[in-house]
Amino acid sequence: KQEVTQIPAALSVPEGENLVLNCSFTDSAIYNLQWFRQDPGKGLTSLLLIQSSQREQTSGRLNASLDKSSGRSTLYIAASQPGDSATYLCAVSGGDLNGSWGKLQFGAGTQVVVTP
Amino acid sequence: EAQVTQNPRYLITVTGKKLTVTCSQNMNHEYMSWYRQDPGLGLRQIYYSMNVEVTDKGDVPEGYKVSRKEKRNFPLILESPSPNQTSLYFCASSFGSAGSPLHFGNGTRLTVT
Repeated sequence: KQEVTQIPAALSVPEGENLVLNCSFTDSAIYNLQWFRQDPGKGLTSLLLIQSSQREQTSGRLNASLDKSSGRSTLYIAASQPGDSATYLCAVSGGDLNGSWGKLQFGAGTQVVVTP
Repeated sequence: EAQVTQNPRYLITVTGKKLTVTCSQNMNHEYMSWYRQDPGLGLRQIYYSMNVEVTDKGDVPEGYKVSRKEKRNFPLILESPSPNQTSLYFCASSFGSAGSPLHFGNGTRLTVT
């Protein structure tokens, strides 16, 4: 069974510093990996999706990398702002072509606080 | 506006009283899924559906039922709720291709007393 781990569980940085969030997974046969943001009391918002054949994706200040062989993904947020304060979760979708790609496993998330 | 709509947002019920949480999407997505989120346990998948009339179990399906009779709707049914099903529930959908991100509803907070 796929296990997804996010370290650290919490992170506090001063405004302007770059954020580095880690996600590791145990089974490299994945369909895709997604990064989400969750604000308190709210649903999840998709930030970036990396397909199995890709190495990275970028959107504005966000960059996510994927290394399937080592079972790792990293989310970089450049020049952090107080508005980046939230919980960030990664989710891995299985890679069985018979259909188990529908199964998703989430990490427990990293709670980020960016102080002004 | 493209969205996933869950109802109700909040629900308090008693043990054993059947309930349904509805989920509807207006994006013509093939894939839909349900999750529960609990402190310390994160998000866990309950059921998912690859298309109409196709459903499969996630990691924690016990005590839940789903149906997918129409593409846009994917209700979650608790036939006999118990206190350990008190949780925050999320529905999500996507086109189902490798490059298609998940869109989440705003959640349903369920309390079973």
